Amino acid sequence: KNEVEQSPQNLTAQEGEFITINCSYSVGISALHWLQQHPGGGIVSLFMLSSGKKKHGRLIATINIQEKHSSLHITASHPRDSAVYICAVNPGEYGNKLVFGAGTILRVKS
Amino acid sequence: GAVVSQHPSWVICKSGTSVKIECRSLDFQATTMFWYRQFPKQSLMLMATSNEGSKATYEQGVEKDKFLINHASLTLSTLTVTSAHPEDSSFYICSARWFRSYNEQFFGPGTRLTVL
Repeated sequence: KNEVEQSPQNLTAQEGEFITINCSYSVGISALHWLQQHPGGGIVSLFMLSSGKKKHGRLIATINIQEKHSSLHITASHPRDSAVYICAVNPGEYGNKLVFGAGTILRVKS
Repeated sequence: GAVVSQHPSWVICKSGTSVKIECRSLDFQATTMFWYRQFPKQSLMLMATSNEGSKATYEQGVEKDKFLINHASLTLSTLTVTSAHPEDSSFYICSARWFRSYNEQFFGPGTRLTVL
C-alpha cells in the first residue's frame, strides 16, 4: 500500500463544476503539498499545508491532521485547470524528502 | 520569487554519449537540490538529494556512477547521465529548497531526455 493515496485517479468535469480531489496518507507528516503538472511537464507548487485551510483564487486546500486526509477543491472549474494534480507529503517530524501520490488526471471540458 | 530553471529543456542524444542537465535557483540560495525522474503516466521518483558542497545522497537502486550529481554552488546543481542508453530516456526534474523553508521545494520545468 502506498503511503500517499489519491482519489480519483481520473476526473472529467464540465466547465463551471466544483471539483474535489482527495489525498490520504498513512504516516506522520510535517507538511503536505499540492502540486500541478501541465501536459508540458513543468510542476507548479499550489499549496503547502501543515494544518487548516488555504485559499488561492479558485483553489482551496484543506487538511485534517488527525484523519490524515487532505482535499483540493477547485471552484468554477475551467478548461485551463486541466492538468495532473499531485499530492505529496514530507514524512516524519523533520521531513526532508517528498513522498508522492500517483496523481489525479483532471480534464475540464468546455 | 523562488524560480528554478533547468537547461536544456529537451535533449536528444545517441546511445553511449553523456548528457549534462543544469538546475539553477535564480533568485534564492538553494542549500539542497533534489533530482527526480518521471516515466510516462507515472509519478515522480526521487533519484538523489544534493547538498551544496557535499556528495549527493542517492536513493536505493539509482547508480551513482551512472547519474553524476554535482552541487558546487548555492545556485547550481548538475546531473550528468553518463553513457546514456535508451532506457535512460525520461523526464528529469529538479527542485530546490531554501534553507529557511525546510519543507518547501521549488520545482524546475524539467528536461526531457531522449536517447536514440
